[in-house]
Amino acid sequence: QLQLQESGPGLVKPSETLSLTCSVSGGSITSSNYCWDWIRQPPGKGLEWIGNMYSSGTTYYSPSLKSRVTMSVDTSKNQFSLNLNSVTAADTAVYYCARHGNGVQWGFDPWGQGTLVTVSS
Amino acid sequence: QSVLTQPASASETPGQRVSISCSGSSSNIGRNPVNWYQQLPGTAPKLLIFYNDQRPSGVPDRFSGSKSGTSASLAISGLQSDDEAHYYCSAWDGSLNTWVFGGGTKLTVL
Repeated sequence: QLQLQESGPGLVKPSETLSLTCSVSGGSITSSNYCWDWIRQPPGKGLEWIGNMYSSGTTYYSPSLKSRVTMSVDTSKNQFSLNLNSVTAADTAVYYCARHGNGVQWGFDPWGQGTLVTVSS
Repeated sequence: QSVLTQPASASETPGQRVSISCSGSSSNIGRNPVNWYQQLPGTAPKLLIFYNDQRPSGVPDRFSGSKSGTSASLAISGLQSDDEAHYYCSAWDGSLNTWVFGGGTKLTVL
């Protein structure tokens, strides 16, 4: 059974870079049938898609975050990562990683348990 | 403001049926499939319905989805207390080039 687990600092200072890693177990990140996504949820609010990437390295970012986001993959470790620079308090959220089938008909499944990142000095 | 519009809350008694609506536009629901997610308190969202009306393995057939034009609906029959959760709709928006979500509906089982 595929499982995803986010990891990274829970506290980031304003203007610095938020860096998270998603470790994938129970399946290979190199499958061409899937892409790997980041989604966030501010406390008490709804969901926001950040972007996704394929194991080939191809990435797609949300236009609203594109200027600050970088995603990368480490196939040797079966992991993918998110970097979000110049963070502000508005970036405080639970960050989830998820798998997504190749095509708009597929949903995000499964999700990691999420990790809360607080932006504060 | 969310791109997809859902009612903020819904409620019904155990055993009954409830329907949650999701309204969008021609650039998202109007041309792309809709997915639904269930988020139990304190947990990550879970895929409930994909491709408008398909259930992933393990999701009870009490949950059903439909789509018509630029709107979609999630129906839950035989309500149980365990169904108390937030429910989110989602679709790809071809104009914004991003996945969009509804603001979520908090379901209370009275």
